[in-house]
Amino acid sequence: QSVLTQPPSVSAAPGQMVTISCSGSSSNIGGNFVSWYQHLPGAAPKLLIYEHDRRPSGIPDRFSGSKSGTSATLGITGLQTGDEADYYCGTWDSSLSVVVFGGGTKLTVL
Amino acid sequence: QVQLQESGPGLVKPSETLSLTCTVSGGSISSYYWMWVRQPPGKRLEWIGYINDSGNTNYNPSLKSQITMSVDTSKNQFSLRLNSVTAADTAVYYCARGGRDFWSGYYMKYWGQGILVTVSS
Repeated sequence: QSVLTQPPSVSAAPGQMVTISCSGSSSNIGGNFVSWYQHLPGAAPKLLIYEHDRRPSGIPDRFSGSKSGTSATLGITGLQTGDEADYYCGTWDSSLSVVVFGGGTKLTVL
Repeated sequence: QVQLQESGPGLVKPSETLSLTCTVSGGSISSYYWMWVRQPPGKRLEWIGYINDSGNTNYNPSLKSQITMSVDTSKNQFSLRLNSVTAADTAVYYCARGGRDFWSGYYMKYWGQGILVTVSS
C-alpha cells in the first residue's frame, strides 16, 4: 500500500529553523495537493498548509510548504516552545482513492 | 469560529455498531464537505470518508462495507455508523470540515478534539 513517509522526529533550538519532509509517489504527492497539520496532545489537529504552500488565515508566515516531484516539505522558522507538536502531511492517493497521511513527525524544541 | 464536537459511546462490544455524531457550531453545515478521520493507538491517521450537505458520500474503499454516513442539516450535525466492529476499530475518531469543494485540495480545515472509542467485550 502506498504511504507517505515522514521522519519520526526532528529537533532544533528556539529561534532556529527546521524542515520536515514527506515522501510519497506519483499516485499521491506527485499528482495531488499536499496539506500539513499540527497536532498537540489532547487538542484538535490544526491545518497549517493546504494546496502545497497556502496558509489559512491566522497561520503565521513562520510556517511554509513546498513540493518537488513526489516529496513535500514543511518549514518552520523562528522556532518557539509552543511549536512542539506532532506534524502530519496528507494528500489524495489516486490509486487507492483515499486521503493518505504520513506517519507523523514529533518536533522537539530544545 | 467554526467548532466541531464528537459525541458517542466510548466503549463498543465486538460485532456491534459504532455510532458517532459530530455537532457543528459557529457556522452552517451547508455548502461544505464533512469528514471522519481516525487514529488507532500507535498508528497513523486514517481517512474514513466524507459527506456533503446534500448527502453525497465518498468512503474509504477499505472500510466501505462497514460505513454509513449521514447528515442532518436541521441540527447542524453529521454522523458515522461503523458496523461489525472489531478490536482493530479501536481508535480516536475525529470529525472535520473540508472546503466547499473537496477536490480543491481534500484538506481538513477544522477538526474536533476527537473521541476515543474502544472495542472490547
